[in-house]
Amino acid sequence: DTGVSQNPRHKITKRGQNVTFRCDPISEHNRLYWYRQTLGQGPEFLTYFQNEAQLEKSRLLSDRFSAERPKGSFSTLEIQRTEQGDSAMYLCASSLPGQGTYEQYFGPGTRLTVT
Amino acid sequence: AQSVAQPEDQVNVAEGNPLTVKCTYSVSGNPYLFWYVQYPNRGLQFLLKYITGDNLVKGSYGFEAEFNKSQTSFHLKKPSALVSDSALYFCAGGFPNFGNEKLTFGTGTRLTIIP
Repeated sequence: DTGVSQNPRHKITKRGQNVTFRCDPISEHNRLYWYRQTLGQGPEFLTYFQNEAQLEKSRLLSDRFSAERPKGSFSTLEIQRTEQGDSAMYLCASSLPGQGTYEQYFGPGTRLTVT
Repeated sequence: AQSVAQPEDQVNVAEGNPLTVKCTYSVSGNPYLFWYVQYPNRGLQFLLKYITGDNLVKGSYGFEAEFNKSQTSFHLKKPSALVSDSALYFCAGGFPNFGNEKLTFGTGTRLTIIP
């Protein structure tokens, strides 16, 4: 069990560029979540997958954001035409709900800075 | 709408003293409640959870929390604080009546243990 990994750890981009982040969940976990955390705030839910199906999206996830989990394993989060307001830490988490184990395990995050 | 509140931005405790980090929730129904800890440049680490059953739950690193339905609270406690407990703590809730797959986080409490 190597935990949840995220790449890259840091990304600096210019306004208007597209960026893509990757998340590799804990191998047997079937649920994968994306959250966004800004300075001084708790993480805010963006979207989640059960296997390859995207089951819920937050209103925070504008049409510039898209997430995929093509084979039910790793996931990508793409932001098109980045804006300065997109600067934040993007967190990925995974879980295997059932038998009382509902906790989510988080990766280290990808810090995005839009200049 | 469901919400989780952490009324204290900062808590300072002398090493060796008991500590309490407060959390309250607002929702109808029975929430699933969690505590996470965040160290600098690291992801959120799961500490403990309340799903059902015994109101006092024990978790990692000697932490425990008490679920109090009448006061809608889930305070984090430790009998004797260590300097290494200094970190940012988040309370989070998943609410089955609204779909417990996503976690709603409080704004966090920075705990500082003074040697």
